[in-house]
Amino acid sequence: QKEVEQNSGPLSVPEGAIASLNCTYSDRGSQSFFWYRQYSGKSPELIMFIYSNGDKEDGRFTAQLNKASQYVSLLIRDSQPSDSATYLCAEGGGYSTLTFGKGTMLLVSP
Amino acid sequence: EAQVTQNPRYLITVTGKKLTVTCSQNMNHEYMSWYRQDPGLGLRQIYYSMNVEVTDKGDVPEGYKVSRKEKRNFPLILESPSPNQTSLYFCASSLKGGANYGYTFGSGTRLTVV
Repeated sequence: QKEVEQNSGPLSVPEGAIASLNCTYSDRGSQSFFWYRQYSGKSPELIMFIYSNGDKEDGRFTAQLNKASQYVSLLIRDSQPSDSATYLCAEGGGYSTLTFGKGTMLLVSP
Repeated sequence: EAQVTQNPRYLITVTGKKLTVTCSQNMNHEYMSWYRQDPGLGLRQIYYSMNVEVTDKGDVPEGYKVSRKEKRNFPLILESPSPNQTSLYFCASSLKGGANYGYTFGSGTRLTVV
């Protein structure tokens, strides 16, 4: 069974710092990776996806993928209190469902 | 507005009383899925559907039923709810398999079974 592992946190960072969120996955055949943000009691919201090794940047967010190490990360630059949420990592392979990690809680203090 | 609509948002029911949670999407997505989310357990897939009349079990299907008679609708049916089905439920849809396109989630249904 596919597994996606995340540290549950909380990860605490001060406002303006870089937050680094990490995820490992078990299936070497996984082809696509997603980061979702979920505020407490709300639905997950897609913020980034990455398919290729290397970095992908979108505004303050950078996703990093290393398929050899089966490792995905999300960097949030200039962290804001509004970034405080749980971040879910998910992976998929081919025409299939996504497998989600349990999420990392991020707390950004003013 | 492109969206996935779930109803109701909140539901309190009694053990054994059949209920249906509706899910509808207006994006012409082929793929739809139901998840439940519990503290410490994350998102667990209940059922999914690749297209009309095609459904399959996820990781925790026991006690649930689904149907996909129309592309836009994917209701979740609890024939005889039990307290261990108290949870936060999400419906999700994707253009095709979620692996390449990611999911769009509904707003969630918080179900309490007493």
